[in-house]
Amino acid sequence: EVQLVESGGGLVQPGGSLRLSCAASGFTFRNYWMSWVRQAPGKRLEWVATVKTDGNEKYSVDSMKGRLTISRDNAKNLVYLQVNSLRADDTAVYYCARGFRPVDFWGRGTLVTVS
Amino acid sequence: EVLMTQSPATLSVSLGDRATLSCRASQNVTSDLLWFQQKPGLPPRLLIHGTSTRATNVPARFSASGSGTTFTLTISSLQSEDSAIYCCQQYNNWPPTFGQGTKVEI
Repeated sequence: EVQLVESGGGLVQPGGSLRLSCAASGFTFRNYWMSWVRQAPGKRLEWVATVKTDGNEKYSVDSMKGRLTISRDNAKNLVYLQVNSLRADDTAVYYCARGFRPVDFWGRGTLVTVS
Repeated sequence: EVLMTQSPATLSVSLGDRATLSCRASQNVTSDLLWFQQKPGLPPRLLIHGTSTRATNVPARFSASGSGTTFTLTISSLQSEDSAIYCCQQYNNWPPTFGQGTKVEI
């Protein structure tokens, strides 16, 4: 069974940092691009970042460039999202997702509250 | 950035009815369009990718069509478990972008 389990969310002060993790299981992790998507309260989903299978290609949205780093550890079946200089408008549920074009499976998300 | 616009915002239907949901893109996204279902407290569930290809284990009552900028998701013979928010997403242009969702109430 495919599973994606996010962790690392919580309450953080403005200007702080968080590292979100996503533990993958039930599929051959190294064969899939992995992505992070977020949803702020009452807003539509927003793409955040994507990393290629081997970790050598990474893409992030312009609105967050310079503040985030996506990475992965294929030996541990983990994908990470490091977000720095957090702002109130970063408050959202952050979802880990398998794939890129297209995404075909989502985790349940981890809530990040910046306040 | 490609703007995705869905209509209607809410669709109130009865069991067994047919529901038709629309999604428009602000520019051509070819066939790189997917639909997913979102229920409270659950992760999004992929229904359709590549405009019209049903994902694994998705019932045949879900079908979709379109190309370019205009897309449609049809749910024939609505079941109670189909009550959810349905979102479209394009993945032709970076960044992938999402519609605001259509809430289907049964």
